[in-house]
Amino acid sequence: QSALTQPPSASGSPGQAVTISCTGTSSDVGNYNRVSWYQQHPGKAPNLLIYEVTKRPSGVPDRFSGSKSGNTASLTVSGLQAEDEADYYCTSYAGGSNWAVFGGGTKLTVL
Amino acid sequence: EVQLVESGGALVQPGGSLRLSCAASGFNFNVYSMNWVRQTPRGLEWVSYITSDTRTIYYADSVKGRFTISRDNDKNSLYLQMNSLRDGDTAVYHCARGFQWAFDYWGQGILVTVSS
Repeated sequence: QSALTQPPSASGSPGQAVTISCTGTSSDVGNYNRVSWYQQHPGKAPNLLIYEVTKRPSGVPDRFSGSKSGNTASLTVSGLQAEDEADYYCTSYAGGSNWAVFGGGTKLTVL
Repeated sequence: EVQLVESGGALVQPGGSLRLSCAASGFNFNVYSMNWVRQTPRGLEWVSYITSDTRTIYYADSVKGRFTISRDNDKNSLYLQMNSLRDGDTAVYHCARGFQWAFDYWGQGILVTVSS
């Protein structure tokens, strides 16, 4: 199962909005509304931000939002803050025993 | 507070074996599916999945036939038996709780190094 495709880097200034894309295929992202997004700060475990494309776990700020169009899912971070600087990963269910396929990760820099 | 704590990581030679453990606390372990996810400088890779009742188990193609996931609900523990280890298995291994086709809590991870 091939990994999902994410841009290696993204950046924005405080207060701006940034969108990170996650491109898969009709076998994973395009076929299931089971995309999730994770934030990881250096030396820390990943933290769930978004599940089932658009849903936020309790405690995740509404500045983080998810969407999907065709084979591409997106994470938008609005009102960028310094603490948003981190690595972001997407993942999708890929059917049958292919429980999860991850993107390669995007390093978000807050300028 | 949900806590997941991995143990058992080590330096092991190619072809060797290792057993990882994950101790869970702060939630009803026996109703949740669990996963192992590994991380290298290249990123995250899902490794294995097990349902709460152990009836369904999945593996990534890269570890199928070499790794075995298991759990002991009485001990609130998850395990990963790793055999025929390869250089490419070198990674930090995280246990992660399953939630709606996502992973809602993660352990800090344990380092496994495969090298001669």
